[in-house]
Amino acid sequence: AQSVTQPDIHITVSEGASLELRCNYSYGATPYLFWYVQSPGQGLQLLLKYFSGDTLVQGIKGFEAEFKRSQSSFNLRKPSVHWSDAAEYFCAVVPGDSSYKLIFGSGTRLLVRP
Amino acid sequence: KAGVTQTPRYLIKTRGQQVTLSCSPISGHRSVSWYQQTPGQGLQFLFEYFSETQRNKGNFPGRFSGRQFSNSRSEMNVSTLELGDSALYLCASSLRGEEQFFGPGTRLTVL
Repeated sequence: AQSVTQPDIHITVSEGASLELRCNYSYGATPYLFWYVQSPGQGLQLLLKYFSGDTLVQGIKGFEAEFKRSQSSFNLRKPSVHWSDAAEYFCAVVPGDSSYKLIFGSGTRLLVRP
Repeated sequence: KAGVTQTPRYLIKTRGQQVTLSCSPISGHRSVSWYQQTPGQGLQFLFEYFSETQRNKGNFPGRFSGRQFSNSRSEMNVSTLELGDSALYLCASSLRGEEQFFGPGTRLTVL
């Protein structure tokens, strides 16, 4: 079945430490790939996107993500986490089957230790 | 450029009532999508409108409906509310559909 998997429900890191959030998808074609962040009680903010081309994409707030076709993965990284990064992070895909619905993973909640 | 706006931000209704939520997309965007977010089911796609036509539909009952106006503003309606309809309803706008920008959401509570 077509799906987006975020295997980590919660992740806790210390402020200043590096971060990697995992995302795997199962679609035949290369979908459009996104990472969104949601703070409590808020909507979703787009961090970055991958459509084609360079597989390492840069986003806002110092985030980057790498698309690996062989692993069907699109992991989000940040070299040094700030306390304000504490939020929930969602990986999403547009399947590329001519529909434009976003399919979301279940999210990863990031906690930052001072 | 102003972002996506949604009204109202909070709603409390009782079972059996109906509700209408409104979304104003980013100026120039012609695609509006709606999503439901619940703790149990996560984020689920409801439907997408492009130039006043429903282009995609998710797997929700017919009680959930929507429309889009000529100015790209969109409304979604839920009739005969059930307790399980309590959720955060998110609207997203896009130029053509790929890159979607979200509003703050409408928190619906059904009592």
